[in-house]
Amino acid sequence: EPEVTQTPSHQVTQMGQEVILRCVPISNHLYFYWYRQILGQKVEFLVSFYNNEISEKSEIFDDQFSVERPDGSNFTLKIRSTKLEDSAMYFCASNAETQYFGPGTRLLVL
Amino acid sequence: EDKVVQSPLSLVVHEGDTVTLNCSYEVTNFRSLLWYKQEKKAPTFLFMLTSSGIEKKSGRLSSILDKKELSSILNITATQTGDSAIYLCAVAGGGSQGNLIFGKGTKLSVKP
Repeated sequence: EPEVTQTPSHQVTQMGQEVILRCVPISNHLYFYWYRQILGQKVEFLVSFYNNEISEKSEIFDDQFSVERPDGSNFTLKIRSTKLEDSAMYFCASNAETQYFGPGTRLLVL
Repeated sequence: EDKVVQSPLSLVVHEGDTVTLNCSYEVTNFRSLLWYKQEKKAPTFLFMLTSSGIEKKSGRLSSILDKKELSSILNITATQTGDSAIYLCAVAGGGSQGNLIFGKGTKLSVKP
C-alpha cells in the first residue's frame, strides 16, 4: 500500500541552525501539507502546497519557514533559524480525497 | 475562530467494553470530518464523513456525522487492548485546500 515517507525520523539541532525536513508524498497525490505537533498538544496546520506553490499557510508559518518541491517526488520543509519553540513532531501529509500522514520527524532544538 | 472539541479527553475501559468518543466543531466552510488513530507517531486514517446520518463502519469501529448538531461520534465495540491509542477528530474546512483543524484527541486506554 502506498504511504507517505519522511526523513529523518529524529533530528537534534542547535538553536539558530537551519534544518530541512524531507517528505515523499504518495505518488499520484497533488496536495501536500505540513503539520506540527508540540509534545502534549494538538496537531496544528502549517502549510498546504499545490501546483508547485503555497496555497495556504497558518500564522505559525512565518518567514523562518519555507517549503519546496525540488523534484518530482520530494517535498521539503526548511526552518531557517531554529528556535527552542520549534521543537515538535513535524508531519507531512498528502491528499487525494483523504489526507494520509507520514510517520513524522521529531525535531529537538537545543 | 475555527475549532474542534473532543470529549472526553481520556478514557479508561476494560476489554470488551463499548466506548463512544465525541467530537464537536465550529468550522467555516465545512467540507468533511475525519477520524484518525494515533498510536506512537503518525495519525492513521479511520473514517471520512461528509454526509449527515450515514454511518461508516469498519469492523468494530463505526462513526456518524450530525451536521445539524455539528458533531460526530466514534463508536468502538468489544474493545481490545490494541485499541489503546489517541483518537483524533479533524475537520476540513476554511481554507481552499481542505487544511485540517484537529481536536486535542481522546486518549483511550483499554485494560485487559
